[in-house]
Amino acid sequence: DSGVTQTPKHLITATGQRVTLRCSPRSGDLSVYWYQQSLDQGLQFLIQYYNGEERAKGNILERFSAQQFPDLHSELNLSSLELGDSALYFCASSEGQGTYGYTFGSGTRLTVV
Amino acid sequence: SQKIEQNSEALNIQEGKTATLTCNYTNYSPAYLQWYRQDPGRGPVFLLLIRENEKEKRKERLKVTFDTTLKQSLFHITASQPADSATYLCALEAYSGGGADGLTFGKGTHLIIQP
Repeated sequence: DSGVTQTPKHLITATGQRVTLRCSPRSGDLSVYWYQQSLDQGLQFLIQYYNGEERAKGNILERFSAQQFPDLHSELNLSSLELGDSALYFCASSEGQGTYGYTFGSGTRLTVV
Repeated sequence: SQKIEQNSEALNIQEGKTATLTCNYTNYSPAYLQWYRQDPGRGPVFLLLIRENEKEKRKERLKVTFDTTLKQSLFHITASQPADSATYLCALEAYSGGGADGLTFGKGTHLIIQP
């Protein structure tokens, strides 16, 4: 157990639908990062939050959004889902800017049918 | 554009030998470089971080070197074991005008240690 909790582990949904992925960071970590991993693209950075504020944005689609709550857990919202959104979505956390490494969760496998 | 390149072909090493993985990067000026291990269907696990002013770092059977002139890092596993079989990812932090942009990962090298 890495200390980063992601739910649900698996999600199957239809095209056009909206889903919410949840992440609880490791105790004491203030930064949360979201990554998408598909077979052909590798790990793609989506977005980072630090202590409730958006800190950095990567290749995140406009259909996707995220937030970090006062208790530091984070949610990634994916809407108008397309087949190509099927992937593993990982959450990671770190103390600050990750200069001591990131701790990843076990991921949510999203399948869009 | 910024690129992180790792050998996409699987690396087959005999048990007991040293495995050496390469990470090359372009258009980065990283303050540090990180290595992670990822097993199929699981999240990456942090292994080592090396800073730009460090030439080499060791942790048990792992050794990382960092050459900012060559823009290259080498990752070594000595006395390799079948349990070391996994995909190894190199990662750098990207920066833009707004500051740090999160870790960018290479696509990884799949290491297979054969008994």
